Amino acid sequence: IVMTQSPDSLAVSLGDRATINCKASQSVLYTSTNKNYLAWYQQKTGQPPRLLISWASTRESGVPERFSGSGSATDFTLTISGLQAEDVAVYYCQQYYSTVLTFGQGTNLEI
Amino acid sequence: VQLVESGGGLVQPGGSLRLSCAASGFTFTSFAMNWVRQTPGRGLEWVATISGGSAFVHYADSVQGRFTISRDNAKNSLHLQMNSLRVDDTAVYYCSRSDDYLDYWGQGTLVTVSS
Repeated sequence: IVMTQSPDSLAVSLGDRATINCKASQSVLYTSTNKNYLAWYQQKTGQPPRLLISWASTRESGVPERFSGSGSATDFTLTISGLQAEDVAVYYCQQYYSTVLTFGQGTNLEI
Repeated sequence: VQLVESGGGLVQPGGSLRLSCAASGFTFTSFAMNWVRQTPGRGLEWVATISGGSAFVHYADSVQGRFTISRDNAKNSLHLQMNSLRVDDTAVYYCSRSDDYLDYWGQGTLVTVSS
């Protein structure tokens, strides 16, 4: 499953909204459970990726409420509402529907 | 949860290297574990997964037949034996825990394949 993010790079003013899109080449919605097997990660310079959101929209413990995920099947969005300076990072989507895990190419978010 | 990788370094093309990941802070046998690598040019690339009891293993096509993932549940450790290394295997290698998604990651260990 190929994951394609857009845009590759994004510059947003402090306090504004950032929107990152992720498209899967096939559905990652498991119909029997109605769950989307889609995660979002944040990676800051020099650090490993950090899980932000699982199941397309479930925020992990400790992740600020300004981070939200939406979408279903093949089209997903990560929204950061009220951008903070510490949100500068590369963001990746990843599907775990298949045993062959695949990531998007990443979106570089700048202020 | 803590994951600490080791074993990276410089190796010549065609050589071998064994990476290890020491896990702590959770019941190791209850989780599948993964190796994921990252290069500036290719981003994040999943390498291999092993189930909690080692019954199931999966590899990326790019490493199938060259890399072997294993785990020692008595020692809470994960390993990646890398043989026939190629220049394009150069990357930071992360170990990561699976709860379907990859919920915890180590800091990574750098593998450089160069003559």
